[in-house]
Amino acid sequence: NAGVTQTPKFRVLKTGQSMTLLCAQDMNHEYMYWYRQDPGMGLRLIHYSVGEGTTAKGEVPDGYNVSRLKKQNFLLGLESAAPSQTSVYFCASRPTSGDYNEQFFGPGTRLTVL
Amino acid sequence: DAKTTQPNSMESNEEEPVHLPCNHSTISGTDYIHWYRQLPSQGPEYVIHGLTSNVNNRMASLAIAEDRKSSTLILHRATLRDAAVYYCILKSRGGATNKLIFGTGTLLAVQP
Repeated sequence: NAGVTQTPKFRVLKTGQSMTLLCAQDMNHEYMYWYRQDPGMGLRLIHYSVGEGTTAKGEVPDGYNVSRLKKQNFLLGLESAAPSQTSVYFCASRPTSGDYNEQFFGPGTRLTVL
Repeated sequence: DAKTTQPNSMESNEEEPVHLPCNHSTISGTDYIHWYRQLPSQGPEYVIHGLTSNVNNRMASLAIAEDRKSSTLILHRATLRDAAVYYCILKSRGGATNKLIFGTGTLLAVQP
């Protein structure tokens, strides 16, 4: 299993440009998450999904949109990038069965907005 | 979810035990104590979790105080690969979303 993969690994955007980050998992997990991590800080939740076709806002959702059209994929979109969105973005997934389920994280996407 | 307090940084020597403390004085009866770690330039990874009893797994041990207001993650023999940021997180059992709230964690440096 590849686990959780993220595309791309690095990206540089100009202010106002748009882009989509792709997260894919091959573990048949129901729940998926998008986090951002700024320098010297912990991760903050942007959006999450509890199943195919569903999404919900996290702690810092402004400026981002998400879609979960297929169970294995969770897309994070930036419609008009701003320098404040320069960050490292992590995707995670987890199953729903069992008493406790750890989250599995991808390797991250480093985004710079100039 | 209740908050946790961890030291900003700690140092250890290779092959020595490491005790990483976490205070959580406002923990509720249904809160599990979770530990994740983040190696440099990688996403976080699960380490261990517990509720009341001490827990052991292949990566570490978790010692939980009797009043549950504090806990300690124990790495029995630190290696250079254990250098990472360690996050102590409280999360209620169940809940529809299992959201994790990360603090700034403890940066562990391991000296050869």
